[in-house]
Amino acid sequence: DTGVSQDPRHKITKRGQNVTFRCDPISEHNRLYWYRQTLGQGPEFLTYFQNEAQLEKSRLLSDRFSAERPKGSFSTLEIQRTEQGDSAMYLCASSSSRLTNYGYTFGSGTRLTVV
Amino acid sequence: SQELEQSPQSLIVQEGKNLTINCTSSKTLYGLYWYKQKYGEGLIFLMMLQKGGEEKSHEKITAKLDEKKQQSSLHITASQPSHAGIYLCGADNWASGTYKYIFGTGTRLKVLA
Repeated sequence: DTGVSQDPRHKITKRGQNVTFRCDPISEHNRLYWYRQTLGQGPEFLTYFQNEAQLEKSRLLSDRFSAERPKGSFSTLEIQRTEQGDSAMYLCASSSSRLTNYGYTFGSGTRLTVV
Repeated sequence: SQELEQSPQSLIVQEGKNLTINCTSSKTLYGLYWYKQKYGEGLIFLMMLQKGGEEKSHEKITAKLDEKKQQSSLHITASQPSHAGIYLCGADNWASGTYKYIFGTGTRLKVLA
């Protein structure tokens, strides 16, 4: 297993366009998380899944944001009608409910720039 | 809601010097995690602390959780340029039925060769 993979690594989009990011977690991890990080800040929680169920969503996740994890494997995060304020690093992480002493494993992130 | 405050916000040290980064929680910590992030990259897990007074070490990095479980420190001995990056503390709150982490704002470390 090569860890948590995120695609794409970088995305530049025009304001108003829709974008979709993909995250492939570690295969035996049943929990998957999305975070957003802006420059100079720590990661902010967006949402998390246990298997295919989306168990919690942050108030940061406006109606323009939607996340899915069909079949409890990979996940997608879609942002509709992007705004300049959406420019950030979007981080995905995964963990196992059976291995709680090892923290999350993070992907390398997708850097979104809205112009 | 729980908040994590890190200090200092940034640090520049000469290679070979020791340094300490602090993380203070507004509430009792159930699990405290230290991560390192290189600029523009994802986070790399360093250590997890759970018990009051617990101390863990990995290579030249030592992390401690105080007895009251509201403050943690990360100490680097004989710093090297490879230690440069952003150090983040994170905390979970599973006792409240949630498995998400919250993070501090990070400490940016630069090591001068």
